[in-house]
Amino acid sequence: KAGVTQTPRYLIKTRGQQVTLSCSPISGHRSVSWYQQTPGQGLQFLFEYFSETQRNKGNFPGRFSGRQFSNSRSEMNVSTLELGDSALYLCASSPRDRGLGETQYFGPGTRLLVL
Amino acid sequence: GENVEQHPSTLSVQEGDSAVIKCTYSDSASNYFPWYKQELGKRPQLIIDIRSNVGEKKDQRIAVTLNKTAKHFSLHITETQPEDSAVYFCAQGDSWGKLQFGAGTQVVVTP
Repeated sequence: KAGVTQTPRYLIKTRGQQVTLSCSPISGHRSVSWYQQTPGQGLQFLFEYFSETQRNKGNFPGRFSGRQFSNSRSEMNVSTLELGDSALYLCASSPRDRGLGETQYFGPGTRLLVL
Repeated sequence: GENVEQHPSTLSVQEGDSAVIKCTYSDSASNYFPWYKQELGKRPQLIIDIRSNVGEKKDQRIAVTLNKTAKHFSLHITETQPEDSAVYFCAQGDSWGKLQFGAGTQVVVTP
């Protein structure tokens, strides 16, 4: 099976702009989670989507939002970009077919630089 | 809180020696404890995971132990090799797709 893919891989934006990142999960996986990775804060959970519904959300401001489509592909949007939003944004997919915690497989990430 | 504390932050070992990384978690609802390896410029790769109904799991040179009473789990790498050099992250997970990560351990294996 093909792995998790993310587009674009690199992005440069200026403060105040908005950005949309895309994630295609492994075929058959229904859950997509998003994480922000920075040198200072490490890997931080943003949100998780399952069957087009946001099931869990991390401690990020409302400028960070996401959605999931019927084919399980997911997008995340960041509005009114700030310098501190510069980071590697990772998505991870999991099958979500058991009650216990699921293995998550990461995509290559989108590196966002805000100038 | 839902923090995961990971120690040490850096670990230097001689090739062939063992490496141990320890994590402590606080969320009693956590039932899943994966370990990821991330090489520079690459995505985190799952190397081993353990669920709350198991105390120990081994895969070749890698093993993980879980003590639910004490709320800590550890990664053990035996016979380390230069290609084991990377940043290792522990995490705690629940049933809702959320992983809380430790701060990471930079492992350097010197030949």
